[in-house]
Amino acid sequence: DAKTTQPTSMDCAEGRAANLPCNHSTISGNEYVYWYRQIHSQGPQYIIHGLKNNETNEMASLIITEDRKSSTLILPHATLRDTAVYYCMLYGGSQGNLIFGKGTKLSVKP
Amino acid sequence: GAVVSQHPSRVICKSGTSVKIECRSLDFQATTMFWYRQFPKQSLMLMATSNEGSKATYEQGVEKDKFLINHASLTLSTLTVTSAHPEDSSFYICSTTRDSGGMSTNEKLFFGSGTQLSVL
Repeated sequence: DAKTTQPTSMDCAEGRAANLPCNHSTISGNEYVYWYRQIHSQGPQYIIHGLKNNETNEMASLIITEDRKSSTLILPHATLRDTAVYYCMLYGGSQGNLIFGKGTKLSVKP
Repeated sequence: GAVVSQHPSRVICKSGTSVKIECRSLDFQATTMFWYRQFPKQSLMLMATSNEGSKATYEQGVEKDKFLINHASLTLSTLTVTSAHPEDSSFYICSTTRDSGGMSTNEKLFFGSGTQLSVL
């Protein structure tokens, strides 16, 4: 079973920030938080990952709470092309399983 | 650009036939490949993990005789759906990490573009 829980769906206005939450209360000390997204009928696309510090790249920012039991993916200026299913997952090394949860369907509206 | 090439992107076959899906890592060695299956409006389900030169490890409930995985080289893994039936119709996706045998702490999992299998 997946170790993460996410809201089923979210809407966001174009140009506004999209904040996607993820709960992972049973995260282990060596597990990283990874975010991927999948546009219909395509392979998932890597977005960002982190351990405990906040991370930022050209696509998004990742905010991880101090207790690491939850995180938020932030798309600073959502566009229509960001409409996709976003998956939060945990991975802690070669002994772990790469298990996807149900993800959040983000709909960016004009 | 793509780092994992998956073919074919779409295949339609008759019930009872076998279908082979190829997944290649481009310009790097992929010691470990992961195979996922995805039904409409559902998440990706890990089917098996294949390691170059050894037998694949299947997840619980996945029939190893039904879904044959071969990982004979460091750049190619294949998934063969044997004696396909309509219930095998699904989106199949491969993935791998760059360089190492498993996803290390600072690596990313790269995905193929997927194969839509339709069994008539």
